[in-house]
Amino acid sequence: AQSVAQPEDQVNVAEGNPLTVKCTYSVSGNPYLFWYVQYPNRGLQFLLKYITGDNLVKGSYGFEAEFNKSQTSFHLKKPSALVSDSALYFCAVRDLPRSGTDSWGKFQFGAGTQVVVTP
Amino acid sequence: SAVISQKPSRDICQRGTSLTIQCQVDSQVTMMFWYRQQPGQSLTLIATANQGSEATYESGFVIDKFPISRPNLTFSTLTVSNMSPEDSSIYLCSVELYMNTEAFFGQGTRLTVV
Repeated sequence: AQSVAQPEDQVNVAEGNPLTVKCTYSVSGNPYLFWYVQYPNRGLQFLLKYITGDNLVKGSYGFEAEFNKSQTSFHLKKPSALVSDSALYFCAVRDLPRSGTDSWGKFQFGAGTQVVVTP
Repeated sequence: SAVISQKPSRDICQRGTSLTIQCQVDSQVTMMFWYRQQPGQSLTLIATANQGSEATYESGFVIDKFPISRPNLTFSTLTVSNMSPEDSSIYLCSVELYMNTEAFFGQGTRLTVV
């Protein structure tokens, strides 16, 4: 069974300071990991993903995430937070493609971390 | 990526009534999904919308309560039937493009049942 954990319900950071949102995962095979962001009254927006390759993944809006296999973590980072980064962030893991279909398996989302960036 | 139009964006409904949510995509997609996001919680997959056949429901969700249609590769509907206040949630349409690993989401429908 696959799962992700986001240990922090909320992260508070001052504008201009580094932002880190934590995520750990548990999978039976190779992990396929994602970060999404949800702004108020909006759907989820894709930020970045790790499938294979470099452990440091760069994504949208200046965000990046580091895959750490030994620590089973995929923390989201931004060097300098903006007030506009205030939103709900979800980490997700995904099954490998299912045999006989073109699609990857189901997403398992974390509980979400509310990021509050203060001016 | 894909542009997903989900309607309505929000609604307030009386208990015992039904609401149909529409999801329209600007390109042909391989998979379409419906999720529920209860207040303060994460996303829960309701079902996979299959083109031309019955949807595949997750444990805890049944067709009588959440009938789903997908008549073509770009459109799907989710109906929340016989609503109760416990159905108050955000309902999200999600799609996948061929050979893409990430999913894309509509803006969601915020449903309040009174």
